[in-house]
Amino acid sequence: SQQGEEDPQALSIQEGENATMNCSYKTSINNLQWYRQNSGRGLVHLILIRSNEREKHSGRLRVTLDTSKKSSSLLITASRAADTASYFCATALRAARQLTFGSGTQLTVLP
Amino acid sequence: DAGVIQSPRHEVTEMGQEVTLRCKPISGHNSLFWYRQTMMRGLELLIYFNNNVPIDDSGMPEDRFSAKMPNASFSTLKIQPSEPRDSAVYFCASSLSNRTGVVQFFGPGTRLTVL
Repeated sequence: SQQGEEDPQALSIQEGENATMNCSYKTSINNLQWYRQNSGRGLVHLILIRSNEREKHSGRLRVTLDTSKKSSSLLITASRAADTASYFCATALRAARQLTFGSGTQLTVLP
Repeated sequence: DAGVIQSPRHEVTEMGQEVTLRCKPISGHNSLFWYRQTMMRGLELLIYFNNNVPIDDSGMPEDRFSAKMPNASFSTLKIQPSEPRDSAVYFCASSLSNRTGVVQFFGPGTRLTVL
């Protein structure tokens, strides 16, 4: 099974609302990353949070990490139609260079 | 600066044919990753290279799949013979990896359809 699992699988909101996506994982990690994928495109890195960090901000993005619960959340504030995309969490294990991606959350922001 | 370049962007072939996908990583990056993405299985890591050396190919589905990285600026993923179940989007990604878990930069992908 995948290391990271996103919840919900799909989310539809109105422009201006906040969107929250969650990610759970199974083993100890070095860091957790969030990526965005627009339809028909490659993944684009959004933000990285290290295992010793609890919260991180980047523009309208806020990421939290709870290592005791092995979970992370991505909050997009004041969403825009252009935020419509799939969002993936990816975990980096302590002993490995590669990332393991979750199944993604499809976010639709309605104008 | 150019990002990761993949070619072709689209490939349609018939079952049994050989398919070669190409990737040019970002200059200076020392790790390269090949992924496959399908609706059913999501994004799967097939193989990754560090300093042109294959490190982990445990994700390569079968012997029909092979990957090479002859130099720091070029990699290929070959499927021979191809089968309809190989239809997917194949992504190449690169990173500058001196430690665990650095950021990966993805190419636009190659959409492969095997008829």
